[in-house]
Formats: sequence, structure tokens, C-alpha cells
Amino acid sequence: SQQGEEDPQALSIQEGENATMNCSYKTSINNLQWYRQNSGRGLVHLILIRSNEREKHSGRLRVTLDTSKKSSSLLITASRAADTASYFCATDIRGGSEKLVFGKGTKLTVNP
Amino acid sequence: EAQVTQNPRYLITVTGKKLTVTCSQNMNHEYMSWYRQDPGLGLRQIYYSMNVEVTDKGDVPEGYKVSRKEKRNFPLILESPSPNQTSLYFCASSLEQSNQPQHFGDGTRLSIL
Repeated sequence: SQQGEEDPQALSIQEGENATMNCSYKTSINNLQWYRQNSGRGLVHLILIRSNEREKHSGRLRVTLDTSKKSSSLLITASRAADTASYFCATDIRGGSEKLVFGKGTKLTVNP
Repeated sequence: EAQVTQNPRYLITVTGKKLTVTCSQNMNHEYMSWYRQDPGLGLRQIYYSMNVEVTDKGDVPEGYKVSRKEKRNFPLILESPSPNQTSLYFCASSLEQSNQPQHFGDGTRLSIL
């Protein structure tokens, strides 16, 4: 079963608006990562947040992590058409194997 | 330039004809892995390798083999491909472990007829 699940599955917004995507997971983790995938291309790492961190920023990206709720959110502020992509969260499993488990992704469309 | 290189990028082949998808990284990474991506199912890990001669199953290893004879290469082998292995495949690598940023290749689109 999927460790990470994103919602919504799809999100369409206007340029300049903020986009928020959520990820829920099932077991204790060491850290959580967010990736972006442009259509048909390889995934690109965006940001990593450790289990003892609650919030992290990188440019227009803001990630939060709530380990008590086993959830994370990715906020993209002042979105641009170039942010159109699919976004995935990925989690490892604390004390488990070296597997990395991805969610099914949120497809973001930013309309100019 | 630091990169993960997969070949071929596209392949159409027939059921039962053995094929190998190569993956090479130039970053001296220890951890390498293979994923397949299917509509509605996201990315699922096939196999991973912590270092040379160390490989382990991911979530969907059936029908696949891998080897890690050298640090930089991690080929994915389909001994007897079947249509349900038609998918988009990605190779990825990271410095040491799964819980570090992964560098992905550009993908290999396989069609098994």
C-alpha cells in the first residue's frame, strides 16, 4: 500500500495565486521529501524536511510537517505558469528498509 | 555535469524478448534504485541497491532483475517481458540512502506488445 498519499489529485489556479498540496503517510518516518515532475520528464528534488522539523522554506516553497497527524503540506506562493507540473511526496520508513515510497502525486495547472 | 543517464529512452518490443535498460550515474553515489510509473498508481520502487553487490527488492520486483557490479551502473533486466510491464521507468541515485535527495534520470518508455 502507498506510504504517502497526496491530495488533491489535481489543482487548477491562476497565476499569482498560492497553491497548497497535502501529503499523508502511515508509518513513522526519518524525513519527507517533495519532488516536481514536468510532463514525461524525470523527477526533480525540491525540498527535504526531517522528522524533527516543523517547517522549512526554499524560495517560494514552504513545507510543513506534522508528525502527530502524519501529514505534510507544500505551499507554492505567487505561482507562475512554469510551476505547472505534478508534485509528489516521498517517505522512507524509520527503522525499516531502505525503500523510498512515493505518493500518486498532485497535478498542478497554473493558468496565465 | 552531474547526471543519471538511462538508455534507451524509448523501446517498443515483443513479449518474451529479453531486454536491458541501462542506468549510469557520475556522482559516485552509493544508493541507486529503479521505479516504474503508471497512470493512477504513481511511482513504485522495483529494486534498490545500497552499494556494489548489494541489491534488494522494492515494492514491485516481480519480473525484473538487477545487478550492481560497479558503483556507477545499475542495469534493469527484463528476462521475459510481458505487456503488463509496459510503463515509464526511472532510475535514481543518491549519496548513501533512500532518505536523501534522489537524482532522477529522464526516463525510459517501454512498450511490450
